[in-house]
Amino acid sequence: DAKTTQPTSMDCAEGRAANLPCNHSTISGNEYVYWYRQIHSQGPQYIIHGLKNNETNEMASLIITEDRKSSTLILPHATLRDTAVYYCIVFTGNQFYFGTGTSLTVIP
Amino acid sequence: DGGITQSPKYLFRKEGQNVTLSCEQNLNHDAMYWYRQDPGQGLRLIYYSQIVNDFQKGDIAEGYSVSREKKESFPLTVTSAQKNPTAFYLCASSTSDRVSSNQPQHFGDGTRLSIL
Repeated sequence: DAKTTQPTSMDCAEGRAANLPCNHSTISGNEYVYWYRQIHSQGPQYIIHGLKNNETNEMASLIITEDRKSSTLILPHATLRDTAVYYCIVFTGNQFYFGTGTSLTVIP
Repeated sequence: DGGITQSPKYLFRKEGQNVTLSCEQNLNHDAMYWYRQDPGQGLRLIYYSQIVNDFQKGDIAEGYSVSREKKESFPLTVTSAQKNPTAFYLCASSTSDRVSSNQPQHFGDGTRLSIL
């Protein structure tokens, strides 16, 4: 079981913010939400993770709802190189559960 | 640069043969993992190791074997018992040697295995 639900695909205009949603309604109190992305034929790249509070790093921001049942990854200024499959993952403590992710296409 | 190296990038195997995929890391990470990815699918865990000389089965361990004789190395053998071995294999590592959900896993660039 993937434990997360994401839209299959999304488009975003270059230079605009990309907001990728994720539902994780069965998340437990000590489980973190992770985001990775994967470009075709490469290994997944770590983006960001969080538990309760919103998080920001040089790549993205992570917004987690107060009830922790959903989250949104924000790429503030999408570029063509951000085109990839984005995975939202709940880490249970000893393994990641990857779903099929969201295929984000950044359009020029 | 520190990182995870998987080799080879492409691997071909004849039916009935065992084949070993290499994974080496110089990140000084305690935990290492093997995943399998099929087209259009997410990753599924095959085996993981939290410490040298110890490893655990993941969700799809049947037909695979691993060893962890050194901290830096976690080779995966795909045996002839694995019925559908054609897939993209990914190795990962993380800093934690215990169960902890606050440690990102870092991935190699994968090995694509095909059956001739």
